Amino acid sequence: DAGVIQSPRHEVTEMGQEVTLRCKPISGHDYLFWYRQTMMRGLELLIYFNNNVPIDDSGMPEDRFSAKMPNASFSTLKIQPSEPRDSAVYFCASSFNWQGESPLHFGNGTRLTVT
Amino acid sequence: DAKTTQPPSMDCAEGRAANLPCNHSTISGNEYVYWYRQIHSQGPQYIIHGLKNNETNEMASLIITEDRKSSTLILPHATLRDTAVYYCIVRSFAGGTSYGKLTFGQGTILTVHP
Repeated sequence: DAGVIQSPRHEVTEMGQEVTLRCKPISGHDYLFWYRQTMMRGLELLIYFNNNVPIDDSGMPEDRFSAKMPNASFSTLKIQPSEPRDSAVYFCASSFNWQGESPLHFGNGTRLTVT
Repeated sequence: DAKTTQPPSMDCAEGRAANLPCNHSTISGNEYVYWYRQIHSQGPQYIIHGLKNNETNEMASLIITEDRKSSTLILPHATLRDTAVYYCIVRSFAGGTSYGKLTFGQGTILTVHP
C-alpha cells in the first residue's frame, strides 16, 4: 500500500497566483480530510469528504479556498488568489468509513510558500 | 468535541518508559481517545486508540481511567527516534458534522535523550 500521496511536496508561488494541491487517498477509504499546519495555529481541519461529498467545510478560511473530490481516488485543494498568509504545510488524510475504529492516515504534506 | 489537556513538554531517557498523560474530563460516551505523533516535517502518524478498555499494540499501550476522564500513553522503551510531538485527541462518532473529525490541540513535545 502506497499510503496517502500528495503532490507537489513543495510549492513556491507569488502572491496572486492560483495554487492547486493534489491528494490521492488510500484505495478503499471513504473519508478524506484536508488539514493546514502553521506554527501559530497548529494543525487545523479545513474540510472533509465522505464518499466524495463535502461534509464539513467550516474550517475553510475564506472564499479563496476551494476543495473538490471528483472521484474516490483524487482530491484537490485550490487557493485563488494566493496570499503570503496562506504559507503553511497542507496535509491530506484518509480513512475507512470508520464507525469509531478506523484511524486517519496522513500524507507527507505539501509545503506552500507564497511570496 | 471534548477538549484535551496535555503538558507542553516532557523528557525521557533512552530505554526508559515514556508516560504521556492526557486529561479529557468532558469526554462523552460516544467519543474515542486517539493518539498521534508528528516527527518534524512529516505527517501525523497514528499510534493507538481506545474507547474504555486499555489497549496495546506494537508501538504503545493506552491506559484509560475507569471514569474515562484521563488517559496515559506509554512507550515502553523509548528510543531517540520517538522524539516527536504527541497529540491526544477525542474523536466523536455521534453523528452530524462532528462525525469522524480529528481536532488537534497543541500536544506534548517529547524529547528522548541518550
